[in-house]
Amino acid sequence: ETGVTQSPTHLIKTRGQQVTLRCSSQSGHNTVSWYQQALGQGPQFIFQYYREEENGRGNFPPRFSGLQFPNYSSELNVNALELDDSALYLCASSLGAGWADTQYFGPGTRLTVL
Amino acid sequence: ILNVEQSPQSLHVQEGDSTNFTCSFPSSNFYALHWYRWETAKSPEALFVMTLNGDEKKKGRISATLNTKEGYSYLYIKGSQPEDSATYLCAFLETGANNLFFGTGTRLTVIP
Repeated sequence: ETGVTQSPTHLIKTRGQQVTLRCSSQSGHNTVSWYQQALGQGPQFIFQYYREEENGRGNFPPRFSGLQFPNYSSELNVNALELDDSALYLCASSLGAGWADTQYFGPGTRLTVL
Repeated sequence: ILNVEQSPQSLHVQEGDSTNFTCSFPSSNFYALHWYRWETAKSPEALFVMTLNGDEKKKGRISATLNTKEGYSYLYIKGSQPEDSATYLCAFLETGANNLFFGTGTRLTVIP
């Protein structure tokens, strides 16, 4: 049972706007990772947070930022939206900080940038 | 960016058939390989995390093998059922890295 939820389900924004996506991890999971899945591609790692500190970052510009809160929720913020930011955004939580731990994914937020 | 390839991209099988597909990854600096099943409109579901060369894992009718020396993993489904229809993703972790690299997935459709 994953217990990971994301909100909103769908979102439409215009170029240049800012967006905040939210994720609620499974209780007790100290690590949350965010991924971007563009059409026809596999998920791409954006960043990971462990106990509220950034614990790794993929090849994404600084306008992608995040926060993790003590209540196992987290946010992905994207500033100055571009058309190419249109994608499915997934979060995944895991118990420890290790990448060999099983990750539990949420259903994703579909972002469309017009 | 590491090259993780999955083949085939998609396949259709008849109910009851057994099937398998491949995940290829760099053979050096292996740390772990993840397999996920992703049904449409649902969350990706973890199937296996594999860390040892020669490892074989099983979950019901689904099993996976791992060859880290040659850089591939096979996922097998025995007696496919319509509920097995999904996209199967693998993700590779390199030693010392802090990033999972996903393949683009194999989309399986089981025809009743």
